[in-house]
Amino acid sequence: DQQVKQNSPSLSVQEGRISILNCDYTNSMFDYFLWYKKYPAEGPTFLISISSIKDKNEDGRFTVFLNKSAKHLSLHIVPSQPGDSAVYFCAAFGLNSNSGYALNFGKGTSLLVTP
Amino acid sequence: EAGVTQFPSHSVIEKGQTVTLRCDPISGHDNLYWYRRVMGKEIKFLLHFVKESKQDESGMPNNRFLAERTGGTYSTLKVQPAELEDSGVYFCASSQGLAAEEFFGPGTRLTVL
Repeated sequence: DQQVKQNSPSLSVQEGRISILNCDYTNSMFDYFLWYKKYPAEGPTFLISISSIKDKNEDGRFTVFLNKSAKHLSLHIVPSQPGDSAVYFCAAFGLNSNSGYALNFGKGTSLLVTP
Repeated sequence: EAGVTQFPSHSVIEKGQTVTLRCDPISGHDNLYWYRRVMGKEIKFLLHFVKESKQDESGMPNNRFLAERTGGTYSTLKVQPAELEDSGVYFCASSQGLAAEEFFGPGTRLTVL
């Protein structure tokens, strides 16, 4: 039973444009959401997070938006750079959910930024 | 500061054999997690240690998997006997506190033939 879903397995964007990666979740107990970036043969690297008390968090070129009513979050990368090409994982947990502190991951979206 | 390290980076074994994976968390991180990614699917939680105690092992697939963290430092994950479906990438992560950012190791790619 997958509680975090990333329905787009891949995304291709031109350098300089905006990349938008989407994530949906089903567990209403989730209250903390994270995005991880993964290069081949490496472990996931934390990118940005957002708490359920916020609807937006920005860090440089990366912004995460959270729509709690829709159980949806998105990661915006502006402007996209070729070095952003990687697999992006959405993850979530809820302190009071049945998964405790364990991260629940989506399947990932492979982003390719072309020059 | 050294990150999370995992050993080995790759392991190829035959069905029925035993394999032990090791994870060294970031120094001072009490929380240690094991995750697994099978065949490009989502990364799934296996278990969570707080120091040497198993806080949550609800994700462990079956009793062929045994995790330990003696002394609350490094952790090992043993698979005995290994089955074909155990193939995948096993990630270890650590965090300083609960509900804190988790730092991941590079993973161990396990192939069971």
